[in-house]
Amino acid sequence: GENVEQHPSTLSVQEGDSAVIKCTYSDSASNYFPWYKQELGKRPQLIIDIRSNVGEKKDQRIAVTLNKTAKHFSLHITETQPEDSAVYFCAASTGQAGTALIFGKGTTLSVSS
Amino acid sequence: ETGVTQSPTHLIKTRGQQVTLRCSSQSGHNTVSWYQQALGQGPQFIFQYYREEENGRGNFPPRFSGLQFPNYSSELNVNALELDDSALYLCASSLVGATDTQYFGPGTRLTVL
Repeated sequence: GENVEQHPSTLSVQEGDSAVIKCTYSDSASNYFPWYKQELGKRPQLIIDIRSNVGEKKDQRIAVTLNKTAKHFSLHITETQPEDSAVYFCAASTGQAGTALIFGKGTTLSVSS
Repeated sequence: ETGVTQSPTHLIKTRGQQVTLRCSSQSGHNTVSWYQQALGQGPQFIFQYYREEENGRGNFPPRFSGLQFPNYSSELNVNALELDDSALYLCASSLVGATDTQYFGPGTRLTVL
């Protein structure tokens, strides 16, 4: 089955710096790659997603890139702010009905001012 | 915030007991997936329900079972609770045909003593 590896497990940056979180997946049939942000004690919140027919997607300060050949995708946050501090999860799915999102183990991002 | 709601917020049970967790999906969503999130880990897929039928299942034993009702709300039942069942239980709703785009509820924190 699918396996998703996520790195780094923790990331500390200064406010205004960029942050990059990387994930690799094993199942070449996976075609949907969402990113979730989870603040302490709260629900995972979908922040951006990308499908395998697209190489890059941007939404304001957040971007995701996908390299299907290498089976990896990355989250880029620019101009980080203290409110970006949270746990970020990547996930992968084949998109078929009844299939799961397979999550990475998460990255704890700390943005200090 | 999504329109997915869960109850109860917290629950404490003892080993061997049974528990029922509830989820109301976002308006217009007809598919519900359940996940278990252990402390410090990413969510793990339990199962998915569509049209009141189980539509996919992860690597969880049969003592984890579910229901979906005609209004698309759902229940997760866990029998013979074990200490390792202590976790945050999340439900996520989605639209059939886009079941990979999942929106999470706030979760139920289950503690098994």
